[in-house]
Amino acid sequence: SAVISQKPSRDICQRGTSLTIQCQVDSQVTMMFWYRQQPGQSLTLIATANQGSEATYESGFVIDKFPISRPNLTFSTLTVSNMSPEDSSIYLCSVRSRATDTQYFGPGTRLTVL
Amino acid sequence: DQQVKQNSPSLSVQEGRISILNCDYTNSMFDYFLWYKKYPAEGPTFLISISSIKDKNEDGRFTVFLNKSAKHLSLHIVPSQPGDSAVYFCAASGGSGGSNYKLTFGKGTLLTVNP
Repeated sequence: SAVISQKPSRDICQRGTSLTIQCQVDSQVTMMFWYRQQPGQSLTLIATANQGSEATYESGFVIDKFPISRPNLTFSTLTVSNMSPEDSSIYLCSVRSRATDTQYFGPGTRLTVL
Repeated sequence: DQQVKQNSPSLSVQEGRISILNCDYTNSMFDYFLWYKKYPAEGPTFLISISSIKDKNEDGRFTVFLNKSAKHLSLHIVPSQPGDSAVYFCAASGGSGGSNYKLTFGKGTLLTVNP
């Protein structure tokens, strides 16, 4: 399985500010994803990060609120823009292994917005 | 509309006994199912998966059973160990290619294994 790291591991932010979360993988992967887990809820897919093109967003998520970059096959960032307390969640990066047809997750970023 | 449901928020079992975690789904397009384990402050860890062409997959102490007609799957852990105490998520995906790799998750079941 791929080794995935995320920065920061946690942060406390003020309303109206933005936070960029980084995801680094130890091997080249085709497919990278960003998920959110709100308190007491299941994991929800935000978007698929596409290398060299715009991310593909799921229903309910928009690029202005969650801009994503994917400059190469090992790195991606997710920005949570103009934050409100409702954005307090765990944000998780995942990658798909073509060899095992399985998704592996990073450790997550726990975000609290005051 | 919750397409993947884990109706038991929590389960408590004794060490050495069997743990059975259940999951139901509503979308008949789902054809690949996975179980993840999550400890606090960590990301989900992949446990085991099953394709819809099978009805059982086994890996050590973990076995997943799939009943397609009932749209139900279950994870059996035998024997249960205290280190198995975690939240278990059921996830499903549909078809092959592109967007069909996206996973739909249940809300999770907190398993507590008592020594």
